[in-house]
Amino acid sequence: EAGVAQSPRYKIIEKRQSVAFWCNPISGHATLYWYQQILGQGPKLLIQFQNNGVVDDSQLPKDRFSAERLKGVDSTLKIQPAKLEDSAVYLCASSLEGRLQGNYGYTFGSGTRLTVV
Amino acid sequence: GNSVTQMEGPVTLSEEAFLTINCTYTATGYPSLFWYVQYPGEGLQLLLKATKADDKGSNKGFEATYRKETTSFHLEKGSVQVSDSAVYFCALTRNTGGFKTIFGAGTRLFVKA
Repeated sequence: EAGVAQSPRYKIIEKRQSVAFWCNPISGHATLYWYQQILGQGPKLLIQFQNNGVVDDSQLPKDRFSAERLKGVDSTLKIQPAKLEDSAVYLCASSLEGRLQGNYGYTFGSGTRLTVV
Repeated sequence: GNSVTQMEGPVTLSEEAFLTINCTYTATGYPSLFWYVQYPGEGLQLLLKATKADDKGSNKGFEATYRKETTSFHLEKGSVQVSDSAVYFCALTRNTGGFKTIFGAGTRLFVKA
């Protein structure tokens, strides 16, 4: 089966510019996640979708970050305006819904490495 | 609250050495436990899992046993290879009004030829 697709792989922008990342999850996976992974740290959840509804966005900096998952499939994550501290790898993951997460875990994409200069 | 603590890295081993990466967790009830591996420039890949106490997860020569009495899920491999060099993340999934996964900070492993 195809994996989780993310694009672009790399992005370099200046601070205060905007940027958008795209994710296509595994077909049939109802749950989609965006994680931020700063160098040397574990992934930190930004937002979790169940189909096209938001389940958890408590750690999303809503003054600059936004995300949507139209039609419950693809998702985009946007940063506007970007700050230096947003430099990180942005990982998208998907999973089966609900209690099946506990049995099957997540499938991650390769990530987008963002550098803000 | 729920948390995952891993031993700090980096861990440097010679090829064919025995590997242990410690992981302990804090959670109420019975979370599912996972090890993920991240190779350079890639996303995380599920390595193995255990869904209940005393379960042993295994894959590619790696093993981990779910120990509820010590709240641990240590990763082991009897003979590491250079290709095992990566960052390893311990994680738990817990139903807290929705299924949430928490990751440890990761442990970097270097294996020398």
